[in-house]
Amino acid sequence: DGGITQSPKYLFRKEGQNVTLSCEQNLNHDAMYWYRQDPGQGLRLIYYSQIVNDFQKGDIAEGYSVSREKKESFPLTVTSAQKNPTAFYLCASSIAQFGGNQPQHFGDGTRLSIL
Amino acid sequence: DAKTTQPNSMESNEEEPVHLPCNHSTISGTDYIHWYRQLPSQGPEYVIHGLTSNVNNRMASLAIAEDRKSSTLILHRATLRDAAVYYCILTLNNAGNNRKLIWGLGTSLAVNP
Repeated sequence: DGGITQSPKYLFRKEGQNVTLSCEQNLNHDAMYWYRQDPGQGLRLIYYSQIVNDFQKGDIAEGYSVSREKKESFPLTVTSAQKNPTAFYLCASSIAQFGGNQPQHFGDGTRLSIL
Repeated sequence: DAKTTQPNSMESNEEEPVHLPCNHSTISGTDYIHWYRQLPSQGPEYVIHGLTSNVNNRMASLAIAEDRKSSTLILHRATLRDAAVYYCILTLNNAGNNRKLIWGLGTSLAVNP
């Protein structure tokens, strides 16, 4: 079945450490997104990419970095510059970037905590 | 950016219909209305979307007001598996680099057996 796979499901970060969250999709979608969700809150956009080797900052990009070397993959690195990284991270994809009539498909998320 | 307003929580009984309201008074003519739902510790799941006309699919129905300033997601027969947070979201119809989805707090739906 086609879908989005995020790994790991749980991740712990030490102070001063960079960690990378994996996101892979086999839906042949061009656009991919990273969101952050804090308890009791809606999703906030971190980064998005509409095509390989191109990505744009979302609303809360500071302290994060991404790459898009392959269509199927869109990894997110949480750097040590992100002072409050504890959150639920969600990756999504869609046929077209924020297409008005195209839904986004989400993975099951990675929960990141600070040690 | 267009924003949506939803009740914080609602409650329903199993096998009864559920009507989840959403107000979007600042919607523009090209904004689509999307609904997603999210179970605890899972990613959001697409439910339905529409532009002007009412829409039906296997999961739900979407009723859009004539002036498009409000919409209602209808679950025809609620089941325990429908207990989730339901998000009403607006998206733009046109291509562009600065479009985005605005996620609010959603409505937490409880379903009683």
